[in-house]
Amino acid sequence: GESVGLHLPTLSVQEGDNSIINCAYSNSASDYFIWYKQESGKGPQFIIDIRSNMDKRQGQRVTVLLNKTVKHLSLQIAATQPGDSAVYFCAEGPNQAGTALIFGKGTTLSVSS
Amino acid sequence: SAVISQKPSRDICQRGTSLTIQCQVDSQVTMMFWYRQQPGQSLTLIATANQGSEATYESGFVIDKFPISRPNLTFSTLTVSNMSPEDSSIYLCSVQGQGFDEQYFGPGTRLTVT
Repeated sequence: GESVGLHLPTLSVQEGDNSIINCAYSNSASDYFIWYKQESGKGPQFIIDIRSNMDKRQGQRVTVLLNKTVKHLSLQIAATQPGDSAVYFCAEGPNQAGTALIFGKGTTLSVSS
Repeated sequence: SAVISQKPSRDICQRGTSLTIQCQVDSQVTMMFWYRQQPGQSLTLIATANQGSEATYESGFVIDKFPISRPNLTFSTLTVSNMSPEDSSIYLCSVQGQGFDEQYFGPGTRLTVT
């Protein structure tokens, strides 16, 4: 079936470095994607989203890039901080009310100071 | 945004017993979702619960094992029945916001079955 997945299960960076977390999706009809952050013992929290009519969207220290040609999106975190340590998931968003998110496999980001 | 609480936050249960997980939202929402997150894994949708109708289950999940109640627009329960160690997971409640592309999550219930 259709799926959303991540390339690497773990990523370790030094504090202050930039982090890039990747995700590949298989459903070419998908038009909405979200990145979530899940800290230990908590539920996923929204970070940033992007629609298929865009190829880049920036937030505070985070940027999401979408390449529809190769069905790939990435999350870039600038000046990574220890508080960014968490599991990051990309998710395929609903295209209508009543449908749920489809999550990819997560990437565990570890930031050392 | 919506604030979601879940009870219990964690539990250790014996094989063969059942546990009911409660989900409370601070605002009225139409759509609620229940997810399972097995250790070290991603989130898998169990079912969609719309107030006033029967829950819709995803492939691999059945009502006899995971009965769901949705008595009003702010509350839902998920029961994990006849538990086995394979049911050890985090169970998460989620709601859809006013815009259907907004989805919020509770803190999860960490279940360990021995």
